[in-house]
Amino acid sequence: EAGVTQFPSHSVIEKGQTVTLRCDPISGHDNLYWYRRVMGKEIKFLLHFVKESKQDESGMPNNRFLAERTGGTYSTLKVQPAELEDSGVYFCASSQGRGFYGYTFGSGTRLTVV
Amino acid sequence: QKEVEQDPGPLSVPEGAIVSLNCTYSNSAFQYFMWYRQYSRKGPELLMYTYSSGNKEDGRFTAQVDKSSKYISLFIRDSQPSDSATYLCAMQGAGSYQLTFGKGTKLSVIP
Repeated sequence: EAGVTQFPSHSVIEKGQTVTLRCDPISGHDNLYWYRRVMGKEIKFLLHFVKESKQDESGMPNNRFLAERTGGTYSTLKVQPAELEDSGVYFCASSQGRGFYGYTFGSGTRLTVV
Repeated sequence: QKEVEQDPGPLSVPEGAIVSLNCTYSNSAFQYFMWYRQYSRKGPELLMYTYSSGNKEDGRFTAQVDKSSKYISLFIRDSQPSDSATYLCAMQGAGSYQLTFGKGTKLSVIP
């Protein structure tokens, strides 16, 4: 079974530019999550999709962040315009049903805004 | 006050040592307690989980939860160099999908 795939693995952009991160969950997993780790801080929840619907986006920091999940398959997280404080590692995870034990994390996208 | 406190270390031990990692938390609603292991440049990988209070053992790993003290621990016996990683505690409330993580403790096991 293929795992959760994220790309790019690393992105360096200038402040004010736009970046789009992509996550391909495990096939058949209805639940998809985005988390972020800013340097020196904990991994923090951003949002949760069930199929193509946003179930919980309480962790999204502001309206510069836009997440979509096309047809309930892959998901994108767009940051526009990027700010310096957006630098960090963005993790995607997916699960088939309820509960933490189904979580599988991707390797993350390391975003650096300069 | 942070919801989950975890000493980031780093922690360095000789091979074969017993390692003790721990977290404290403040949110009484947490019901599920997890330990994730994260190798460099990889995503977190679930190592062990416990529901409510109690102990759980899996090979060289033992997880303990004391809800009365809001304190959880992970013990690693006979530590190996391959155990070198960052260990993250994470917690979840009943009915919630969100995981609340500690900062993680970086462990190095020296051969």
